[in-house]
Amino acid sequence: AQSVAQPEDQVNVAEGNPLTVKCTYSVSGNPYLFWYVQYPNRGLQFLLKYITGDNLVKGSYGFEAEFNKSQTSFHLKKPSALVSDSALYFCAVRTDTGRRALTFGSGTRLQVQP
Amino acid sequence: DAGVIQSPRHEVTEMGQEVTLRCKPISGHDYLFWYRQTMMRGLELLIYFNNNVPIDDSGMPEDRFSAKMPNASFSTLKIQPSEPRDSAVYFCASSLSGLGGNQPQHFGDGTRLSIL
Repeated sequence: AQSVAQPEDQVNVAEGNPLTVKCTYSVSGNPYLFWYVQYPNRGLQFLLKYITGDNLVKGSYGFEAEFNKSQTSFHLKKPSALVSDSALYFCAVRTDTGRRALTFGSGTRLQVQP
Repeated sequence: DAGVIQSPRHEVTEMGQEVTLRCKPISGHDYLFWYRQTMMRGLELLIYFNNNVPIDDSGMPEDRFSAKMPNASFSTLKIQPSEPRDSAVYFCASSLSGLGGNQPQHFGDGTRLSIL
């Protein structure tokens, strides 16, 4: 079985400060990891993914995430937060074998204060 | 480039009525997924298709729910009869298979379903 944990329901950060949204996972096999963002009344939008290779992956809107195999983590980061980054963020995982569906975390609400 | 299109965006109906949600995936995508989102349970996978064939329906809550994909460009999720606990936002997503399934899923904007 595979699972994803997002330990923080909400993260608050001031505009211009760096932000981190945490994600840990549990899978059997090699993980494929994804981050999605959801704005109000919208579907999830893909931000970035880790499949293999460089542990630091860069994605849309200046976001990046670092894959850490020993800590089974895939934290989302951005060097300088914008008010417009305020949204709900989801981490998701699947493996390179088995079913194609993603397992999503419970989501973390990011609030960037001006 | 059109994304995943879902209709209707909002549906309000009375308990016991049949509800049909519709989805048009991105052209060329061979996987289609149906999810349900609620505050209590988060995002739940209901069912997914590959090349129009249902692969995993273990997330379908009960026999009142059914899903079909008659062709590559259309899928429906039907609830009959509907109950108030079915109230949620239902999302459809599609993806390419990619190499070992490494392609992201693309989501529609969802159908907000309210059962009175």
